[in-house]
Amino acid sequence: EAQVTQNPRYLITVTGKKLTVTCSQNMNHEYMSWYRQDPGLGLRQIYYSMNVEVTDKGDVPEGYKVSRKEKRNFPLILESPSPNQTSLYFCASSLSGLAGGPTGELFFGEGSRLTVL
Amino acid sequence: GNSVTQMEGPVTLSEEAFLTINCTYTATGYPSLFWYVQYPGEGLQLLLKATKADDKGSNKGFEATYRKETTSFHLEKGSVQVSDSAVYFCALWMDSSYKLIFGSGTRLLVRP
Repeated sequence: EAQVTQNPRYLITVTGKKLTVTCSQNMNHEYMSWYRQDPGLGLRQIYYSMNVEVTDKGDVPEGYKVSRKEKRNFPLILESPSPNQTSLYFCASSLSGLAGGPTGELFFGEGSRLTVL
Repeated sequence: GNSVTQMEGPVTLSEEAFLTINCTYTATGYPSLFWYVQYPGEGLQLLLKATKADDKGSNKGFEATYRKETTSFHLEKGSVQVSDSAVYFCALWMDSSYKLIFGSGTRLLVRP
């Protein structure tokens, strides 16, 4: 079954304690991305990756890091989490279009709800 | 910059009622337009899409037409069901930016 898998689904942590949210897709997609969802704001892109070792910032990258060492995995790293990073996080991947680049047809994981105290 | 505005919810309807959720966009260039749906406790799923002006996207009884003259992509369904209760997001994609730009979402509640 084609899917994007995120872990953990729920996490409560404290300010400053490093954490990693893993994301894995089994569709051989080149493009992957992280979004955060906050009430009234919709979803906003944190980082994206066009392929292995190719990553770039989205609209709200501050306080986050990513890596793309393998095609299937795209972890999100919070080096020193703060309360304003309390949010619902989604990983997504995309088919490539006819031109070879990503399209807006994203496959989303089920989300990771993070609370930073 | 590019942006999406959609009507605030919640929208509460009785089963079999007609649904419209308004969505307008601002974009430089020619975006692709999407509706995504989020059921409780789940991730977002693509509902329908349109890639150019006058295209109509449709799926599961939902429809939306890409109107360039009014910069709109309103979602409609002729007869909603309780199972349609969810949050609906309008979004645009520009090939040059490699991201979906989402509206704030509209919660739909359908009562039996």
